[in-house]
Amino acid sequence: NAGVTQTPKFQVLKTGQSMTLQCAQDMNHNSMYWYRQDPGMGLRLIYYSASEGTTDKGEVPNGYNVSRLNKREFSLRLESAAPSQTSVYFCASSIRSSYNEQFFGPGTRLTVL
Amino acid sequence: SQQGEEDPQALSIQEGENATMNCSYKTSINNLQWYRQNSGRGLVHLILIRSNEREKHSGRLRVTLDTSKKSSSLLITASRAADTASYFCATDNAAGAQKLVFGQGTRLTINP
Repeated sequence: NAGVTQTPKFQVLKTGQSMTLQCAQDMNHNSMYWYRQDPGMGLRLIYYSASEGTTDKGEVPNGYNVSRLNKREFSLRLESAAPSQTSVYFCASSIRSSYNEQFFGPGTRLTVL
Repeated sequence: SQQGEEDPQALSIQEGENATMNCSYKTSINNLQWYRQNSGRGLVHLILIRSNEREKHSGRLRVTLDTSKKSSSLLITASRAADTASYFCATDNAAGAQKLVFGQGTRLTINP
């Protein structure tokens, strides 16, 4: 099993450009999450999907949109990138919401110029 | 805002010594989890302790939970160079929020 995969690994954008970060899991998990991590900081939740067909805002949702495409895939879209969105983005999944451990992808390092 | 706060922010010890990290949180929880992050990598789950448990062991890891003080500690015994990493606690919310909130982490350095 590949676990949680994320693409791309690295991305450089110019201010105002858009892009979609892809995430997929092959563990048949119900819940999926998008976090961002800034230098020296913990993870902050952007959006999550407790189950297929549902999405909810986390702590820092502004400037982002998400799509739970199916049970396996959960994408994060930046419609108009800003330098403040320069960060490392992690996708994670768990069997069921916060009752179980989360499995993390390797991360996407995004720089917005 | 962060639910969990780790203490200390950074810890440097000699190989073979024990390392203790603490986490405090604010609201009632169902469970508390500890994760490790090696530099430039994703987080890896270490241990989960539920609110009705007081202590849990996994290999060289020992986690305690004191719900009356809203605090937890992670003890790593007989540390190794490979334990060098950042360690994060994460808590859910007993009120029903279906998500975890992570602290800012403790950066642990094991010196050979």
